[in-house]
Amino acid sequence: DGGITQSPKYLFRKEGQNVTLSCEQNLNHDAMYWYRQDPGQGLRLIYYSQIVNDFQKGDIAEGYSVSREKKESFPLTVTSAQKNPTAFYLCASSTGAGGNQPQHFGDGTRLSIL
Amino acid sequence: DAKTTQPPSMDCAEGRAANLPCNHSTISGNEYVYWYRQIHSQGPQYIIHGLKNNETNEMASLIITEDRKSSTLILPHATLRDTAVYYCIVRLNSGGGADGLTFGKGTHLIIQP
Repeated sequence: DGGITQSPKYLFRKEGQNVTLSCEQNLNHDAMYWYRQDPGQGLRLIYYSQIVNDFQKGDIAEGYSVSREKKESFPLTVTSAQKNPTAFYLCASSTGAGGNQPQHFGDGTRLSIL
Repeated sequence: DAKTTQPPSMDCAEGRAANLPCNHSTISGNEYVYWYRQIHSQGPQYIIHGLKNNETNEMASLIITEDRKSSTLILPHATLRDTAVYYCIVRLNSGGGADGLTFGKGTHLIIQP
């Protein structure tokens, strides 16, 4: 099936640890995105990538890092510098950037601090 | 991106049409109207989008007023699985800059059996 796969579904982190969230898509989409959602809140953009080997900071990039070495993969690392990492993380992709290109989402990874 | 206003919650009987309103009075001429929904603990699901004309797909219809200041999402025959939070978003038609979607608080639609 075509789609966006995020893993793991649940992730626990000890304080001071870096963790990496996986996002893979087989839709042949050029653009990929990472969002964070807190309880009862809307989504906030962390990073986005419009093409392989290029990515841009979103609204809340501090404490996060990404890479885009392959078209189908856009992993997100939550570093120890992120002071409040507990949240629901969502990855999305679209055929390209711009208003006429719908973004399609994975089912998310829920990160919690032990 | 322009701001949207939606009612916080709505009820609809199963089998009836669900009509979800959205106000976007500050929308500009090159902004699209998008609708997504989110079921608890899942990722948002794309439903439909449009610029000026009304649009229909297998999930829903989107009716945009002539002045583009408001729109209505119509689910023609609501089922219990349509219970979700529905988000109306306006999005600039530009390939540059921060290309994220801005989700507000949406409308919690509850389908009653």
